Amino acid sequence: TQLLEQSPQFLSIQEGENLTVYCNSSSVFSSLQWYRQEPGEGPVLLVTVVTGGEVKKLKRLTFQFGDARKDSSLHITAAQPGDTGLYLCAGLFTGGFKTIFGAGTRLFVKA
Amino acid sequence: DTAVSQTPKYLVTQMGNDKSIKCEQNLGHDTMYWYKQDSKKFLKIMFSYNNKELIINETVPNRFSPKSPDKAHLNLHINSLELGDSAVYFCASSHRTGNTEAFFGQGTRLTVV
Repeated sequence: TQLLEQSPQFLSIQEGENLTVYCNSSSVFSSLQWYRQEPGEGPVLLVTVVTGGEVKKLKRLTFQFGDARKDSSLHITAAQPGDTGLYLCAGLFTGGFKTIFGAGTRLFVKA
Repeated sequence: DTAVSQTPKYLVTQMGNDKSIKCEQNLGHDTMYWYKQDSKKFLKIMFSYNNKELIINETVPNRFSPKSPDKAHLNLHINSLELGDSAVYFCASSHRTGNTEAFFGQGTRLTVV
C-alpha cells in the first residue's frame, strides 16, 4: 500500500511562531506538491518540488524535497492568522496519472 | 470564469438512490480526476481520465461509474447509494500528466441518509 504520512495532524500556534509540517513515505515520487485548502473549497497548489534536495521559497513558506524523493517538509516562518488552513502534501508517481495525498495538517494561527 | 465547476455543491439523498455529479473544466486540460475526501479530510483518488479514456480506477466499487463525454467533462454516477458514500467529492483537472498543477473544483458534499 502506498502511503504518505503527514504530521502533525493538528497545529495551533500563536502569531509570529515558526512551524514545520512533514510528509514521509517509503515510496519514491517523481515530484511532490503542497496544497492549501480552505473550508468549502478545493485544494489550491502552493508549490511543486521535483529534484531530490530541492528547496523552494514562497514568501514565508519554505518547501524542501528529500534527497531520496521520499519525503518533504513545509516550514512557515513567523506564522500569521492568514496562514490558517488545511495543508496537504501530494506525491506524484512516474507517469503522472496517480497522486496520493497525505492526511493533511490543520493549522490554526491565533492572533 | 470558474476553471473547474461541479454541480451540485450539496446533495442529500436516501440510501439506495442513484445520483450523478457533473464536472466541467474550461482550461483545455487533457486529464481529469475524481477524488473523495472523507470526514477526516483524507483526500483519495478515485478515477483518472486522460483524453476521455480511463487511466486509473483505484479499487472503487462498481456502483461508481465515471463518464467522460468529451475532454472537458467528467461526470460521476453513483448507483445504490450507501451511508458510507457520504463525503465531499472533488473533480480536478491538469494540463498533462507529470509534475503539473491539478486544479480542483469546489467539491460536492454528498450526504446519504
